[in-house]
Amino acid sequence: DQQVKQNSPSLSVQEGRISILNCDYTNSMFDYFLWYKKYPAEGPTFLISISSIKDKNEDGRFTVFLNKSAKHLSLHIVPSQPGDSAVYFCAASEWSGNQFYFGTGTSLTVIP
Amino acid sequence: GAGVSQSPSNKVTEKGKDVELRCDPISGHTALYWYRQSLGQGLEFLIYFQGNSAPDKSGLPSDRFSAERTGGSVSTLTIQRTQQEDSAVYLCASSLFPGSAGRGGELFFGEGSRLTVL
Repeated sequence: DQQVKQNSPSLSVQEGRISILNCDYTNSMFDYFLWYKKYPAEGPTFLISISSIKDKNEDGRFTVFLNKSAKHLSLHIVPSQPGDSAVYFCAASEWSGNQFYFGTGTSLTVIP
Repeated sequence: GAGVSQSPSNKVTEKGKDVELRCDPISGHTALYWYRQSLGQGLEFLIYFQGNSAPDKSGLPSDRFSAERTGGSVSTLTIQRTQQEDSAVYLCASSLFPGSAGRGGELFFGEGSRLTVL
């Protein structure tokens, strides 16, 4: 059973516009969330994280929003750049847990 | 090297053969994870090592899968009697903080080993 879901397998955005990637989860015990970015033939690389005590975390062009009541988080990229084209994975864990649960990924294409 | 190193990068094998995949984590990282990504799927947790503690094997899909970590560093994932459904990219990750989930630690991934079972 997929505890972390990314329902959009792909997304296309014009360069300079905002990219919004969404993630939903089912386990109410999750309280730490991460986004990873993956280029072809490379391993995923850490992008940004957020803990449940916050509802927003910002790092440069990347902002993650967390809505605990809706069990939903999103990654905003503003402005989007062609180099942002990659697969983005959402991941979640419990504070005391060992596992990170990953979504199926969203493939972002930023069109120049 | 500076990052997580995995070998081989690609492995093609025949159904029924055994395979070994190797992971060399970042020096000093005590936590080591194995994940796999099948076509169109997310990253599936397989096994977790932390220091000298007993590994968390809860994600291993069958008893054909096993893993060990020698000397708290290099890890080997072994798949016996491979099946076509074992075809996937096997990703290794390491982390600095013990029990890093939820404590500010992130995973550093290798480039993966792509396994194809014919």
